[in-house]
Amino acid sequence: GDSVTQMEGPVTLSEEAFLTINCTYTATGYPSLFWYVQYPGEGLQLLLKATKADDKGSNKGFEATYRKETTSFHLEKGSVQVSDSAVYFCALSDLNGGRRALTFGSGTRLQVQP
Amino acid sequence: SQTIHQWPATLVQPVGSPLSLECTVEGTSNPNLYWYRQAAGRGLQLLFYSIGIDQISSEVPQNLSASRPQDRQFILSSKKLLLSDSGFYLCAWKMGGSTDTQYFGPGTRLTVL
Repeated sequence: GDSVTQMEGPVTLSEEAFLTINCTYTATGYPSLFWYVQYPGEGLQLLLKATKADDKGSNKGFEATYRKETTSFHLEKGSVQVSDSAVYFCALSDLNGGRRALTFGSGTRLQVQP
Repeated sequence: SQTIHQWPATLVQPVGSPLSLECTVEGTSNPNLYWYRQAAGRGLQLLFYSIGIDQISSEVPQNLSASRPQDRQFILSSKKLLLSDSGFYLCAWKMGGSTDTQYFGPGTRLTVL
């Protein structure tokens, strides 16, 4: 079945450092790919998405490019802030039937230190 | 604009007690609705999804059940809670049809003692 693999955390960075969180996927079809962010004690918020190969999703300085040849959707940000500290989830849409459920990675905790 | 509500925000229940968590969506009609569970330090596990009133599909056999008595209301229940039911429960919705993006509620943290 479909699956998503993320790099394990926590990832600890200093403010203004460059961020990369790796995400690779396995899927039989052509899924849409997502990054969600979860701040402490809260639900998930959609950060960005890409629906087809070579699409780049971007939001709040974060970006990720849908790479079909490497089945990857790595999250990047050029300069992180303390307020970016959160858990980041990579996900893909499941094309089975009509449920369109999301398959999530295990999440990567990011800690940004001042 | 659409909003999604969940309550209660936190819940502490003894083993063997019943459970009822509620989720409601405003500002849309006939949404697809989902219940996920997030165990401590883990990813999200899909529990139930619904494409319409009284149309519920279960993903994982367990002692939980779900109901959708109204178009924009989704309820997660249990007759007898287990310790392993502890976790963070998230409700989500998306528009029906081919759109993929799901939007999540604030979650309910359940602790079973």
